[in-house]
Amino acid sequence: QKEVEQDPGPLSVPEGAIVSLNCTYSNSAFQYFMWYRQYSRKGPELLMYTYSSGNKEDGRFTAQVDKSSKYISLFIRDSQPSDSATYLCAMSAAASGGSYIPTFGRGTSLIVHP
Amino acid sequence: DTGVSQNPRHKITKRGQNVTFRCDPISEHNRLYWYRQTLGQGPEFLTYFQNEAQLEKSRLLSDRFSAERPKGSFSTLEIQRTEQGDSAMYLCASSLRLAGAHEQFFGPGTRLTVL
Repeated sequence: QKEVEQDPGPLSVPEGAIVSLNCTYSNSAFQYFMWYRQYSRKGPELLMYTYSSGNKEDGRFTAQVDKSSKYISLFIRDSQPSDSATYLCAMSAAASGGSYIPTFGRGTSLIVHP
Repeated sequence: DTGVSQNPRHKITKRGQNVTFRCDPISEHNRLYWYRQTLGQGPEFLTYFQNEAQLEKSRLLSDRFSAERPKGSFSTLEIQRTEQGDSAMYLCASSLRLAGAHEQFFGPGTRLTVL
């Protein structure tokens, strides 16, 4: 079993829909939870990160962390065709030297059609 | 452009050849990371530097791989005696030490194809 599990999709939704993307994990030491967006043949772009449990909102994006269930979510409101991309979750814990090297999920492909 | 840059963007080589990639991080970032990403997978950590010191290496980094960051600025990743299994996107990221690895900024990647 991988430390971070993420459904690869694809997830296809109509424009304007609320999108829910999720990851589960097994390492209870994870403290930082990140979401990246990656367009085809580009590098990942950091959307937002959350420390420990709780919610964080940034514009149309909301990240939720439930450490008791080892489950994190990213919600996208009023989805747009430009949101079509692969969404990667990543998580990190304190490692030797405080490097916090993240472990990535495999990404979920999102398609928002007009 | 003040983001992370990587060169070349694409590299096609024959099995057994050596290749070298370059990464220029965001100028004030003192941490630099290398990852490998294959199709349908997330990035896998290879190694990271704080300034010029290589502080951590993954078990994925076989002895055919070597990375350097002279003077704590740009970094190079060299793969010797390439194999077809080395075909992947090689990503570089940088962060401020105080910000931690959870605020990494990625470059566009170098796509390696080994024939």
